[in-house]
Amino acid sequence: EIVMTQSPGTLSVSPGERATLSCRASQSVSSKLVWYQQKPGQAPRLLIYGASTRATGIPDRFSGSGSGTEFTLTISSLQSEDFAVYYCQQYASWLTFGGGTKVDIK
Amino acid sequence: QLQLQESGPGLVKPSETLSLTCTVSGGSISSDNYHWGWIRQPPGKGLEWIGSIHYRGDTKYNPTLKSRATISVDTSKDQFSLNLSSVTAADTALYYCARGRYNEVGTTRFDFWGQGTLVTVSP
Repeated sequence: EIVMTQSPGTLSVSPGERATLSCRASQSVSSKLVWYQQKPGQAPRLLIYGASTRATGIPDRFSGSGSGTEFTLTISSLQSEDFAVYYCQQYASWLTFGGGTKVDIK
Repeated sequence: QLQLQESGPGLVKPSETLSLTCTVSGGSISSDNYHWGWIRQPPGKGLEWIGSIHYRGDTKYNPTLKSRATISVDTSKDQFSLNLSSVTAADTALYYCARGRYNEVGTTRFDFWGQGTLVTVSP
């Protein structure tokens, strides 16, 4: 099983600031990495796939990077609607998710 | 607009079988382009993929569930279903159904999700 580890567990950011979220895989997943956003009481929403490709309708303030075992989701200028929990997920070997990073208001 | 809706009992007794159905509307389940999957989320915790199915019947499962999960599809009703046997309290979770994209190996990502249904395992 490929274990996905996200850090930090919670990230406190002021609106308008940049947020950088990390995801590490226990072994290489190449670029087979997805990011989701989940708000309270809602289903996850697809943000990024293939490590860096934005899904349909996702604003360009969201960007993904990385390959192999180290990945980053960057939100360039946090908007009020971006405060949520973010999950990474790999698909190199079946599907496993990270534990999530909560982005809250500083 | 594609919609997915989970349905099924909200309470299941330990050792019994959890059964859920996902109804797809606004689109057809019989598309070569998609998988249809189940993902769960224990209260306050993270996400766990359970398994996925293609409308032709090809299935893939999370090996950690030790063959307790079975996913089936009914193309005449645009539905797919999950059976999870021998449940315990650890299976208490919000269960989501979702549409997946796939490659030659299996599902890669989920781009449309249902709202989820809470299933509690309790005597």
